[in-house]
Amino acid sequence: DVKVTQSSRYLVKRTGEKVFLECVQDMDHENMFWYRQDPGLGLRLIYFSYDVKMKEKGDIPEGYSVSREKKERFSLILESASTNQTSMYLCASRQVSYEQYFGPGTRLTVT
Amino acid sequence: QKEVEQDPGPLSVPEGAIVSLNCTYSNSAFQYFMWYRQYSRKGPELLMYTYSSGNKEDGRFTAQVDKSSKYISLFIRDSQPSDSATYLCAMRHTGANSKLTFGKGITLSVRP
Repeated sequence: DVKVTQSSRYLVKRTGEKVFLECVQDMDHENMFWYRQDPGLGLRLIYFSYDVKMKEKGDIPEGYSVSREKKERFSLILESASTNQTSMYLCASRQVSYEQYFGPGTRLTVT
Repeated sequence: QKEVEQDPGPLSVPEGAIVSLNCTYSNSAFQYFMWYRQYSRKGPELLMYTYSSGNKEDGRFTAQVDKSSKYISLFIRDSQPSDSATYLCAMRHTGANSKLTFGKGITLSVRP
């Protein structure tokens, strides 16, 4: 079974803090993705990575950065958290041209 | 026009009903079609994955793709309360690293 894990299920941070969200997959997938999900807005792609050390902006990259130093791990970084970044964050991974699998999500609250 | 449109719902049905969930799309390059199920406060779970037109059945679930009409459906037979969740359609073209385009999801409630 494909396993995509995320470091935290729930996270509460203060405005201005630097936040790291970690994602690990155990299936040697090349592609990894970070989304945020908000009521009424659906899933929106923040960043994705085709391979190690490669990254591309998605639809809403502002305020976020990513890091992929190892194939199995894809990190999302909020340089200076703001209240409008309160959301459900979802990581996903995929073997090229195959099905995409999601992690359990991290519900981030920025106060 | 949005690339993928999904009925916004919510949808409430009695247990045992046949449920039909639908998405339309505008990009004729889409070739791979998926349905995800998402329980409250959990990540989306891949339910069905189909390529091009036709039907695919898995237990009580049937995915149908009509590329000529740019329309996909998910049918759930003998619906159960455990089917209560949000259902998301997703699709992409054949490029090796193409991104998924999602519908906004529809919340289904199956009443006992």
